[in-house]
Amino acid sequence: LAKTTQPISMDSYEGQEVNITCSHNNIATNDYITWYQQFPSQGPRFIIQGYKTKVTNEVASLFIPADRKSSTLSLPRVSLSDTAVYYCLVDSSGSARQLTFGSGTQLTVLP
Amino acid sequence: DAMVIQNPRYQVTQFGKPVTLSCSQTLNHNVMYWYQQKSSQAPKLLFHYYDKDFNNEADTPDNFQSRRPNTSFCFLDIRSPGLGDAAMYLCATSRAATDTEAFFGQGTRLTVV
Repeated sequence: LAKTTQPISMDSYEGQEVNITCSHNNIATNDYITWYQQFPSQGPRFIIQGYKTKVTNEVASLFIPADRKSSTLSLPRVSLSDTAVYYCLVDSSGSARQLTFGSGTQLTVLP
Repeated sequence: DAMVIQNPRYQVTQFGKPVTLSCSQTLNHNVMYWYQQKSSQAPKLLFHYYDKDFNNEADTPDNFQSRRPNTSFCFLDIRSPGLGDAAMYLCATSRAATDTEAFFGQGTRLTVV
C-alpha cells in the first residue's frame, strides 16, 4: 500500500482558496488518488478522485503532476462550513480495493 | 434519503458483554467495509466484504467478527468489549471492487463502561 503524507493542520480565512498537498512517493501504476472530507461525528464523504493531470468537479479540483508522487486538493473560496478533516487516499490495486486512510489534514476556516 | 444506515447511533455496553452493531444499505453495492475510528485519529479498516468474500485486515483483533447475511446488511460483533474498544464504528459501501468512491454511514459511537 502506498503511504500518504499530509500536513497535520491548516488555517485559512473565508473566501480564500485552499490547497492541501499530499505526498505518495510509492504510488503504483494502477493506483488512483482519492480525497475525502470528514466533519466531527460523521462518516467521511467522497470529494474527488483522479489518476493524472487535473480533475475538477463542483466542489474541488485535484492536481496531479506527471510523476504522480504527490497531489493537491484545491478548494475554491472556502467558507466556515468547510472546516473539516481532509484525507488523501491512494488505493491499492487488486481484486478488491482497500480504502486505507492516512492521518488527514485538519482545515480550520476562520471568519 | 439515507443510503447507508447504521444502528444505533450511540451504543453503551458493559465491559466484556458482547455487542452487535448493524449496517444496512439501499444502494445494492457489492462491497461493504467496517472501520474503527478513535478520537482524533483516522478511520482504521477492520475488514471488508466483496460480495460474500470476507477480507480481514491482518491487525484486526480476533475479538472483532463480522457477518453479512445478504447484500443489504452487515453486522459487526465485538465478542468481549474492552475499554480500548470504545470508538466510532463506521460502515461504508462501494459499488464494485474497482470503485474508489465509498459511501459512509453516520457511524455508531460505542462506549464501554
